[in-house]
Amino acid sequence: AQKVTQAQTEISVVEKEDVTLDCVYETRDTTYYLFWYKQPPSGELVFLIRRNSFDEQNEISGRYSWNFQKSTSSFNFTITASQVVDSAVYFCALSEALQAGTALIFGKGTTLSVSS
Amino acid sequence: DTAVSQTPKYLVTQMGNDKSIKCEQNLGHDTMYWYKQDSKKFLKIMFSYNNKELIINETVPNRFSPKSPDKAHLNLHINSLELGDSAVYFCASSQAANNEQFFGPGTRLTVL
Repeated sequence: AQKVTQAQTEISVVEKEDVTLDCVYETRDTTYYLFWYKQPPSGELVFLIRRNSFDEQNEISGRYSWNFQKSTSSFNFTITASQVVDSAVYFCALSEALQAGTALIFGKGTTLSVSS
Repeated sequence: DTAVSQTPKYLVTQMGNDKSIKCEQNLGHDTMYWYKQDSKKFLKIMFSYNNKELIINETVPNRFSPKSPDKAHLNLHINSLELGDSAVYFCASSQAANNEQFFGPGTRLTVL
């Protein structure tokens, strides 16, 4: 069965601190895809990144970086020099090999609060 | 331009009523979805459609019926609303090739 675990329910940091959001997944598939989404207080879901199981290279996009390690079934997300605008709920998600209509299996989310 | 839009954004209604939520995407995607987010923020798939064909129909009460008149639209009709149906409902779309799902702004349904 597929499962995504985000053990950190809530994290609070002060601006400019670095913060890492953990994501651990379970799947029997050899081909799968991992995602991160951001849900700010306004409520919309914003796509951040998609990673496939064959690509373990880390990715950096501005202050955001992702560390994918198949050996530990983890796909962690780091925000460098956090800002108040980073305050949101962050969801990690998993999907099986791509077939039309495949659902995303979401973790329960991590609420990040960044104070000034 | 809005990529995935939903109407209405807020819906307050009485128990027992029937209501619909509309979703439209202008991304040219061939797959659309409905997800439910409960009060604890947990997101769960309800339905998915590919080229107007139902692909996923999770364990959802029969009172929920999706309808896809064309690839750009996926509406959700709910009969005999119950208190437990109160939630935020998100529509999403993607290309089957990459499953990068883009979400609408959500519809907050409150059943009184």
